[in-house]
Amino acid sequence: DAKTTQPTSMDCAEGRAANLPCNHSTISGNEYVYWYRQIHSQGPQYIIHGLKNNETNEMASLIITEDRKSSTLILPHATLRDTAVYYCIVRVPTYGGATNKLIFGTGTLLAVQP
Amino acid sequence: DVKVTQSSRYLVKRTGEKVFLECVQDMDHENMFWYRQDPGLGLRLIYFSYDVKMKEKGDIPEGYSVSREKKERFSLILESASTNQTSMYLCASSPSSKGRGGYTFGSGTRLTVV
Repeated sequence: DAKTTQPTSMDCAEGRAANLPCNHSTISGNEYVYWYRQIHSQGPQYIIHGLKNNETNEMASLIITEDRKSSTLILPHATLRDTAVYYCIVRVPTYGGATNKLIFGTGTLLAVQP
Repeated sequence: DVKVTQSSRYLVKRTGEKVFLECVQDMDHENMFWYRQDPGLGLRLIYFSYDVKMKEKGDIPEGYSVSREKKERFSLILESASTNQTSMYLCASSPSSKGRGGYTFGSGTRLTVV
């Protein structure tokens, strides 16, 4: 079962910030939050991940609440090419932490409007 | 850049055929995964492997098997293809749990079973 809940779809105006929310209220202390996006007919593309602290890279920022029950992915200046399905994912350790796996939900379709 | 290559972009097979889907990664990753993606269901984990010759069932392993004889190659096998296995199949790889890296996905294989 997916451990995250996301809105089914969102719109954003081109050039504006896109804020994509995610709830993961059952997340455990050693489970990372990952964000991926998938453009039609392509494999998912890694965006960012974090554990407790906020993270930023060249693509996006990730804001994680202090209780870690939710997070927000921020695309600072959305473009038409950012139209995609965005997945918020929990990375679950398995086999005593020897390995791990991603549990996907159904994602948010972000439509960037001109 | 990490590359995950899936041998075929599109495949059409007949019911009852044995089908092999091949995946190769070039960054010496320990973990490899097979997912299938269906409309409205998101990505579901079929099998994963955390080392050569090691394999573990994911959420929907029925009707599938896998093989990992070499670290860089992870094969998904449909023992007797059925129409309900028509889907997009995605392979991914990642470093071990001690690594901070994200998961890298291939471009996918769209399999149609007729």
